[in-house]
Amino acid sequence: NAGVMQNPRHLVRRRGQEARLRCSPMKGHSHVYWYRQLPEEGLKFMVYLQKENIIDESGMPKERFSAEFPKEGPSILRIQQVVRGDSAAYFCASSPMTSASGTDTQYFGPGTRLTVL
Amino acid sequence: GNSVTQMEGPVTLSEEAFLTINCTYTATGYPSLFWYVQYPGEGLQLLLKATKADDKGSNKGFEATYRKETTSFHLEKGSVQVSDSAVYFCALAMDTGRRALTFGSGTRLQVQP
Repeated sequence: NAGVMQNPRHLVRRRGQEARLRCSPMKGHSHVYWYRQLPEEGLKFMVYLQKENIIDESGMPKERFSAEFPKEGPSILRIQQVVRGDSAAYFCASSPMTSASGTDTQYFGPGTRLTVL
Repeated sequence: GNSVTQMEGPVTLSEEAFLTINCTYTATGYPSLFWYVQYPGEGLQLLLKATKADDKGSNKGFEATYRKETTSFHLEKGSVQVSDSAVYFCALAMDTGRRALTFGSGTRLQVQP
C-alpha cells in the first residue's frame, strides 16, 4: 500500500514565479492536510481539504496561496508570485476520517522543499 | 487556543542511555496526543499515539502516557540507539472542530556511539 506521495521533492523558483506542489493521499484516504515547516521550526497547519471542498483554511496566508483537492487527481498547493520567505518544506498528510467524530491518524508524505532564489 | 510545548534540544546521549523528552499541552477539551519522528531529509513518521487519559502509547521501545492531571505526554525510551537520532515532535489534535495537528517546536536527539 503506497504511502502519501508528494512531488516534486525539491523545487527551485525565482522571486515572482509560481510554485505548484502536488500531493496524492494514501489509497482510501479522502482527507488532506497541508503543513509548512520553516527551517529549525515545527510544522504549522495551513489548510484542510476533502474532495472538492476546503474545510479549514485558517492557516493559509490570505494572499498568493491557494489549495484544491479535485474529484480526480492529486491535491495541489499553489503559491503565486513567490518571495524568499516562502522557502520552506511543505508537507502533505492524509487521513481516512472514517467517522463523523473522533481523531483519525494523519500520515505524512516526504515533503516538497521549496527554495526561492 | 491549543498549544504544545516541548523541551528544547538538542538532547545528546550516549548509546544505551535513558531518554526522556518532555511535552506539555494546552487545549480546550480532550485532545488526542501524538509523537512523530523526523529523520534528516524525510517526512514525519507516526511514532505513537494516545487518545484518552491514562492511555499509554508504545512503539519500537518508545513509550508515552497521556496524563490529564499534568497535561503531559512525555516520551521515554529505556535504551537509545544511534539510529534513534532524529527530531521528535509532540502534537495534539481535537476530535471536533479543527482537526489539524498542532505541533510542538521539535526536539533534536543526538545519540553518540
